[in-house]
Amino acid sequence: GQNIDQPTEMTATEGAIVQINCTYQTSGFNGLFWYQQHAGEAPTFLSYNVLDGLEEKGRFSSFLSRSKGYSYLLLKELQMKDSASYLCAVMDSNYQLIWGAGTKLIIKP
Amino acid sequence: NAGVTQTPKFRILKIGQSMTLQCTQDMNHNYMYWYRQDPGMGLKLIYYSVGAGITDKGEVPNGYNVSRSTTEDFPLRLELAAPSQTSVYFCASSYQKEGSPLHFGNGTRLTVT
Repeated sequence: GQNIDQPTEMTATEGAIVQINCTYQTSGFNGLFWYQQHAGEAPTFLSYNVLDGLEEKGRFSSFLSRSKGYSYLLLKELQMKDSASYLCAVMDSNYQLIWGAGTKLIIKP
Repeated sequence: NAGVTQTPKFRILKIGQSMTLQCTQDMNHNYMYWYRQDPGMGLKLIYYSVGAGITDKGEVPNGYNVSRSTTEDFPLRLELAAPSQTSVYFCASSYQKEGSPLHFGNGTRLTVT
């Protein structure tokens, strides 16, 4: 079966750096997405990786290794507003998105 | 630019009742989706559409129906509501199948009692 694994919850300190990992086993691969979801709100798009390597977008970066079935989302200079769930989703060979359960990130002052 | 608009935001249904969740988008996206989100689980695809007049089942279609008569609208129909359908429902749209991010509506929190 298809599977996406992410840690359930992580805690970090304001101003620090945190890395949220995502490992996947899917039928084929057509890209990996990261979304941010604040409590009670809709997911919003953060990043997309289809080739190996690092994509940087301001304080957020996303890395992909297709051979390892692995990605991470790196958040720098953490702010209180970064407290949210971070969802990893992989597009399989049928162009269907397979979603992880999300990682709840708690930022402490 | 409103994006994806979902109504209602909250609804309580009794077992056996029916309802329609409305979804409309103004971005001229061909691809539209309905997901449900349950605590501790990833988003599950209920139905999707690749264009007006075309719909297809996702991972968890039982108990639901959809229609896509226009590019803008993609309503989700619940017939004979059951407690297992208590969830948060999200409508989403995207420009194309590959590589395009999903744009989500604000969600509908449905409780069936």
